[in-house]
Amino acid sequence: DTGVSQNPRHKITKRGQNVTFRCDPISEHNRLYWYRQTLGQGPEFLTYFQNEAQLEKSRLLSDRFSAERPKGSFSTLEIQRTEQGDSAMYLCASSFEGRTNYGYTFGSGTRLTVV
Amino acid sequence: AQSVSQHNHHVILSEAASLELGCNYSYGGTVNLFWYVQYPGQHLQLLLKYFSGDPLVKGIKGFEAEFIKSKFSFNLRKPSVQWSDTAEYFCAVTGYSSASKIIFGSGTRLSIRP
Repeated sequence: DTGVSQNPRHKITKRGQNVTFRCDPISEHNRLYWYRQTLGQGPEFLTYFQNEAQLEKSRLLSDRFSAERPKGSFSTLEIQRTEQGDSAMYLCASSFEGRTNYGYTFGSGTRLTVV
Repeated sequence: AQSVSQHNHHVILSEAASLELGCNYSYGGTVNLFWYVQYPGQHLQLLLKYFSGDPLVKGIKGFEAEFIKSKFSFNLRKPSVQWSDTAEYFCAVTGYSSASKIIFGSGTRLSIRP
């Protein structure tokens, strides 16, 4: 177990392009969360999965955002037609159901810059 | 609405000074509370957590926090800070249900002068 892994670490893209990020959670964790963090703010919840089911989506997650966790293991977060306001750090975290309230384990994040 | 307030955005202290970072939350029902720390260039790490029982909880690196239910507060303290404590500190809350997600405050940046 090497913790939560996120790729890429940094992504610079032109406005209007699509981007996809990947998160590999801790192997025995069945819950996976996506958060977004902008400068000077705390992480904001975007969505979470239990196994392959997406159980909750924040209103922050516009139609341009989609997340998947097809086999209940890794997850991808795709942003279509990126906008400058999408520039942020995208964080992934995982936990095990029943131990959620023990806190999450976070990855190092993917920093997105939209130019 | 569920929320966490951290009123100190940036705190500057000298080494060996005492630290107290404020955190207030708004959440209906039984809560679990956390402090996370983010050192420069690193990922979020759990500093300490409160579930139930003794409202004074001790975490790593000499940090502690006190849950005061009547004040909806969970302030973080350390009697003597070190330069290596320079980081951003986030207070967070979640409900008792395992379906609850963690909600974070906006963070407090702590700078320690050597």
